[in-house]
Amino acid sequence: RKEVEQDPGPFNVPEGATVAFNCTYSNSASQSFFWYRQDCRKEPKLLMSVYSSGNEDGRFTAQLNRASQYISLLIRDSKLSDSATYLCVVKTTGNQFYFGTGTSLTVIP
Amino acid sequence: DGGITQSPKYLFRKEGQNVTLSCEQNLNHDAMYWYRQDPGQGLRLIYYSQIVNDFQKGDIAEGYSVSREKKESFPLTVTSAQKNPTAFYLCATTDRAGQPQHFGDGTRLSIL
Repeated sequence: RKEVEQDPGPFNVPEGATVAFNCTYSNSASQSFFWYRQDCRKEPKLLMSVYSSGNEDGRFTAQLNRASQYISLLIRDSKLSDSATYLCVVKTTGNQFYFGTGTSLTVIP
Repeated sequence: DGGITQSPKYLFRKEGQNVTLSCEQNLNHDAMYWYRQDPGQGLRLIYYSQIVNDFQKGDIAEGYSVSREKKESFPLTVTSAQKNPTAFYLCATTDRAGQPQHFGDGTRLSIL
């Protein structure tokens, strides 16, 4: 079983739409959780950390459900510039990070 | 990403040749990592190092070697034993508090 699983998509949504991505992880001892954004042929860049109480950064909201071992990312009012691949990342004990395969988002004008 | 420099940006390897990818950081981070990304796939861990003069194998270490003689530097050698080296190689760092990783802008390796 993979450490981190994501729906690869692709998600094609119109500008202004709300879109949600989900991610599950297998190791219940996982400690930290993150969403990264990766543009085509570029390195991943940190979008936001995910905290147990849920957290928001502008149009982006991340949530964590430890009981279900589930992480989500919600993007409201999608912009063309949001088109990218979104990676779910989980850090376990021992400072190792595990990456999902990514969910592809295209925002259509 | 600021503070992490990977070079070269593009690299071509001939059959039977070893090549070395450079990763230098000025973030004063203890931990450094090498990942490989194939098209349409997630990042897979090759090697990581939590402290100078120490490193551990990741999930796909075969055909690769590393060294960590200085805190700032974590070079990756792709040896001739790695039969399918064509990929996007990413170096990342993090501090020991387990904060998010920061990435260099990667090296694309291809075989001639």
